[in-house]
Amino acid sequence: DTGVSQDPRHKITKRGQNVTFRCDPISEHNRLYWYRQTLGQGPEFLTYFQNEAQLEKSRLLSDRFSAERPKGSFSTLEIQRTEQGDSAMYLCASSFQGEDEQFFGPGTRLTVL
Amino acid sequence: GNSVTQMEGPVTLSEEAFLTINCTYTATGYPSLFWYVQYPGEGLQLLLKATKADDKGSNKGFEATYRKETTSFHLEKGSVQVSDSAVYFCALFQTGANNLFFGTGTRLTVIP
Repeated sequence: DTGVSQDPRHKITKRGQNVTFRCDPISEHNRLYWYRQTLGQGPEFLTYFQNEAQLEKSRLLSDRFSAERPKGSFSTLEIQRTEQGDSAMYLCASSFQGEDEQFFGPGTRLTVL
Repeated sequence: GNSVTQMEGPVTLSEEAFLTINCTYTATGYPSLFWYVQYPGEGLQLLLKATKADDKGSNKGFEATYRKETTSFHLEKGSVQVSDSAVYFCALFQTGANNLFFGTGTRLTVIP
């Protein structure tokens, strides 16, 4: 399977804990995006990378959130000191630079108790 | 700014009924427009797209036409099937903005 993969698919954590999610994009894609989707809403942009450079961050990305893409391949999204409001589906997508079509992974569903 | 307004659901139809899900957008310039579908427990899949005015995107019996004059991209299907039950998202991509802007989604349930 050469699509976008995400791990884990589900994560349950207690408030105040740190969590980290991983995204493996389609291997030829140099752009990688993170979105957050809350119940009953469409995905909202968080941040994106071009190769290893993080080029844009949404104001939704508070200072408790950090994302990396150290070698320009997979990416991690870490949330520190989780809050109940962080409960959501976190989606990763990838694309070729200059193309508008993004391919999405299955998402990681986070539940903060 | 960029935004997408989508017909609220949920929508329940009988099998073989005609489907329309309305989508209008606000954007500067000329965005690309998309419909994504999300089946239960899965990520978003691209259903169809259109990149310029009057383009028609089509896939799996679904169609949508990019209407610049009405800033709309309504999704249609002539005869829905139970397997079409999913959540449908309208989205736009504005060159220079680097990310997709999504509507809130419309849940479609098709009953036999």
